[in-house]
Amino acid sequence: LQLQESGPGLVKPSETLPLTCTVSGGSITIDNYYWAWIRQPPGKGLEWIGNIYYTGTTSYSASLTGRVAIFVDTSKNQFSLMLSSVTAADTATYFCARRPYGAEFDFWGQGTVVTVSS
Amino acid sequence: QSVLTQPPSASGTPGQRVTISCSGSSSNIGRNYAYWYQQLPGTAPKLLIYSNNRRPSGVSDRFSGSKSGTSASLAISGLRSEDEADYYCAAWDDTLSVVFGGGTKLTVL
Repeated sequence: LQLQESGPGLVKPSETLPLTCTVSGGSITIDNYYWAWIRQPPGKGLEWIGNIYYTGTTSYSASLTGRVAIFVDTSKNQFSLMLSSVTAADTATYFCARRPYGAEFDFWGQGTVVTVSS
Repeated sequence: QSVLTQPPSASGTPGQRVTISCSGSSSNIGRNYAYWYQQLPGTAPKLLIYSNNRRPSGVSDRFSGSKSGTSASLAISGLRSEDEADYYCAAWDDTLSVVFGGGTKLTVL
């Protein structure tokens, strides 16, 4: 199984950050697995953003609720992140990952660096 | 400020045994499994321990995990230079979220 993030490396403040994770080597519609976004600001720790089940059921971090949305496109075997009203604090490496249960993330993408700057 | 508390740094010499602690609360580690991740510089985190003390296939048995109450620990025995990395603990929280520790930077002296 492989996951690959894609999206703009640079986003302006107040705009919306769109990222996509393409899953290959396996189906995104597999039962009992969630698909997650996690980010890591430069030099800092990991932060869970949220996740989605292939049926469209989502869960989000309370600290980002209202600005974040995750979507799934089963026909393309992809899931996407939209983070609105971004600020410099959203500058980070964004990872997509598969979550079987709890806080277990067993497959990760390589990560994509996003900088918020005018 | 991370929900789970880890020491920012740890160190040891080759061959030594090192432990890294992770302190949580009743809403996360106290009632749910603990997980550990290893992150080498410039790479994505790698699952090291799941369900408190289980190792994924391919992870060396030099790595072991344990949990007691609201705390978890990662032990690394026979320390090697390639173990130098950042280590993160994680858990499911009853607030319906995943929480991480702030990370521990392990230095092999």
